Amino acid sequence: DIQMTQSPSSLSASVGDRVVITCRASQYIRHDLGWYQQKPGKAPERLIYSASTLERGVPSRFSGSGSGTEFTLTISSLQPEDFATYFCLQHYTYPLTFGPGTTVDVK
Amino acid sequence: QVQLVESGGGVVQPGTSLRLSCVASGFTLGRSAMHWIRQAPGKGLEWVAVTSYDGNSDYGDSVKGRFIISRDNSKNTLYLEMNRLRTEDSAIYYCSRDAPSYGCFDRWGQGTLVTVSS
Repeated sequence: DIQMTQSPSSLSASVGDRVVITCRASQYIRHDLGWYQQKPGKAPERLIYSASTLERGVPSRFSGSGSGTEFTLTISSLQPEDFATYFCLQHYTYPLTFGPGTTVDVK
Repeated sequence: QVQLVESGGGVVQPGTSLRLSCVASGFTLGRSAMHWIRQAPGKGLEWVAVTSYDGNSDYGDSVKGRFIISRDNSKNTLYLEMNRLRTEDSAIYYCSRDAPSYGCFDRWGQGTLVTVSS
């Protein structure tokens, strides 16, 4: 199985900060990676697919990059509504696997 | 508008069975691979199972041999038959799709809570 790791596991930030979250795959996954945001009590929502394509309707402050085994999600200027937990997902091969999540909270 | 609505969750005892449903609207279920994903309280996301558009299925190791995923395209409904339930199966269960041109897990349902407890 492909193991997904994320770093950091949590971070504290302020509105306006640039936030970078890293996701690493234990094996090559091409660009078959998505980034998801989840707020308490809600289902996850996709932000990025194919590693770097912004989901329609998602603000342009979110961006994704990477391929192969290392990927990043960047929030260029953190907004109040961005405090949440972020997960990566590899869908290159089964079983599909998620990263453990990165919680972004208020500094 | 794409919508996925799960139902069927509840409180059950270990060793018993439960069937979850996911009704899809706004797209044709038969053209998509459909998945179940779960999330234990306060934990991360775990992929559970998939049924592809051609009827093939696959399962996560933790549920293989106990859970059965199926679909009724005529009813635009996805199912998850959960047997020999364990306390560690307690979670919110979400359904999601992997649809042509939209990719993997672009839309999720709101989830249904399964609690396995004696």
